[in-house]
Amino acid sequence: DAKTTQPNSMESNEEEPVHLPCNHSTISGTDYIHWYRQLPSQGPEYVIHGLTSNVNNRMASLAIAEDRKSSTLILHRATLRDAAVYYCILRDLVQGAQKLVFGQGTRLTINP
Amino acid sequence: DAGVIQSPRHEVTEMGQEVTLRCKPISGHNSLFWYRQTMMRGLELLIYFNNNVPIDDSGMPEDRFSAKMPNASFSTLKIQPSEPRDSAVYFCASSAQEFYSNQPQHFGDGTRLSIL
Repeated sequence: DAKTTQPNSMESNEEEPVHLPCNHSTISGTDYIHWYRQLPSQGPEYVIHGLTSNVNNRMASLAIAEDRKSSTLILHRATLRDAAVYYCILRDLVQGAQKLVFGQGTRLTINP
Repeated sequence: DAGVIQSPRHEVTEMGQEVTLRCKPISGHNSLFWYRQTMMRGLELLIYFNNNVPIDDSGMPEDRFSAKMPNASFSTLKIQPSEPRDSAVYFCASSAQEFYSNQPQHFGDGTRLSIL
């Protein structure tokens, strides 16, 4: 399985943008990039996913490098509720697409 | 809409006892997943079902663990006999999974299991 690398932790301030990086240098052509987050004492929740083009939804934006070896999850205006562990996951659409393999993720702290 | 419902939310029991965790997936979802989360190992997939059929149980740690999905609206994860090292948070997730699609998984709030 292709692997992802994320910083262990990041810190930001409320109402400021947050850029969460993810490296995936061994990504294959059929791997989608998925992001989930886990708030304290809750199960993970889906945030966004993409293949090649940048993606936006009501929660966040996903910026994907042209060579697809890295991506960045962007929270445009962080709130205290965005404090969570963020997981960047590669999901092979052709093989084992049902599986999510979680790494250690990035623990995001938001300062008031 | 009701999300994935897990019960119990907390379970404390003594070593050697049988433990049964329950999960009700989101109505209409055809894939169901059991995960375990610990500080040491993070989130691990134990087993998943597609249309009530187990597809991959390679993550099940040993024969003490078993999972069933008798119908589309209910699944159980059983540990017998339980051991202290089974203490963890167990999550159930479901998705409207079709092959070659990217449907997200929806997680329950988990069962926090403590084996004394």
